[in-house]
Amino acid sequence: KQEVTQIPAALSVPEGENLVLNCSFTDSAIYNLQWFRQDPGKGLTSLLLIQSSQREQTSGRLNASLDKSSGRSTLYIAASQPGDSATYLCAVRTTGGFKTIFGAGTRLFVKA
Amino acid sequence: GAGVSQSPRYKVAKRGQDVALRCDPISGHVSLFWYQQALGQGPEFLTYFQNEAQLDKSGLPSDRFFAERPEGSVSTLKIQRTQQEDSAVYLCASSFQSEYEQYFGPGTRLTVT
Repeated sequence: KQEVTQIPAALSVPEGENLVLNCSFTDSAIYNLQWFRQDPGKGLTSLLLIQSSQREQTSGRLNASLDKSSGRSTLYIAASQPGDSATYLCAVRTTGGFKTIFGAGTRLFVKA
Repeated sequence: GAGVSQSPRYKVAKRGQDVALRCDPISGHVSLFWYQQALGQGPEFLTYFQNEAQLDKSGLPSDRFFAERPEGSVSTLKIQRTQQEDSAVYLCASSFQSEYEQYFGPGTRLTVT
């Protein structure tokens, strides 16, 4: 059974710092891994999607990597800003069905 | 076009009532997912549609939960005889195909009293 874990559960950093959020999954049989952000009381906003054949994706200040063999993904945020404060979720789309399994998220607070 | 929309945004139901939650996906998206999100947790998969076909309903927690997408666009999640444990945010997502990027709606917050 696929399980997705995100560490840390919460993180507080000063503005301008570079930071890394971690996501691990137990079964490497995945189609893709997607990173989302969720603001309080809102739906999820897609940040980056990495297909299983890819190693990384970049969008602006965000870079996500995928190491399927070790069951890990990282989301790197450069030069963090207060507007980056949100909960960040990773999700794996499993093979052999249509399930997408989410981690519990990392709550990020960037202090001005 | 417009993003995924959901209605109502908030729903309060008395225990035992039936509720219906609506999802309007992005036009042209074949795939539609429903999720349930408890406070402080990540979303949990409920069911998946490819056009009008419900191909995976393995996440539906009980037979009180029922979903449909009769014409392959709008979808409705119905919960019969609501219980307090059904209180959660229900999220809908659509994508061009099942392995593509998922786009989420704002969710419906259901409170069962």
